[in-house]
Amino acid sequence: DIQMTQSPSSLSASVGDRVTITCQASQDIRNYLNWYHQKPGKPPKLLIYDASNLEPGVPSRFSGSGSGTDFTFTISGLQPEDVGTYYCQQYDNLPVTFGPGTKVDLK
Amino acid sequence: QEHLQQWGAGLLRPSETLSLTCAGSGGSLSGSFYSWIRQPPGKGLEWIGEINLGGRTNYNPSLKSRVTISLDRSKSQFSLRLTSVTAADTAIYYCARGYRLLAPDFWGQGTLVTVSS
Repeated sequence: DIQMTQSPSSLSASVGDRVTITCQASQDIRNYLNWYHQKPGKPPKLLIYDASNLEPGVPSRFSGSGSGTDFTFTISGLQPEDVGTYYCQQYDNLPVTFGPGTKVDLK
Repeated sequence: QEHLQQWGAGLLRPSETLSLTCAGSGGSLSGSFYSWIRQPPGKGLEWIGEINLGGRTNYNPSLKSRVTISLDRSKSQFSLRLTSVTAADTAIYYCARGYRLLAPDFWGQGTLVTVSS
């Protein structure tokens, strides 16, 4: 299985801050990477697909980049509704695997 | 507003079979790929498997011997069966649909399934 790692595991930031999360795959996954956001008690919501494509309806402050094994997810200006846990997910190889998550809260 | 409604037994004893069903709102199921993903309470996400409109399935090898995902297009529903459950199968089970292979973009609210004797 492809192992996904994320860093940091948690972070605290202020409203308006730029937030960056990294995701690393244990082998080349090309650009087959999604980013999800999960609020407590809710299902995950797809934000970014194919590493850098914004899902329709998702605010433009979210962005993604990278290919191969190293990926970055950025929130250009953190909003209160952005708190929660962010997961990366690879789908280049079966089984699909998720990163362990990065918990984001407000400072 | 689009909605995925899921249902099934929430409490099972070890060795029983988990059965969950997911249906689209308004009697229709959008998307082309239908997935099940689970999340043990307070933990991360584990992909269980996916079925496409043609009925082709992909399963997580770690569960493959116990899992069946099926699709009933006439009822706009898809289902999950997981046999011989143990406490390790205790989790919130999510159904999800997508328009791209292995990229679920809309998830149901989740069903907590607890396995306990």
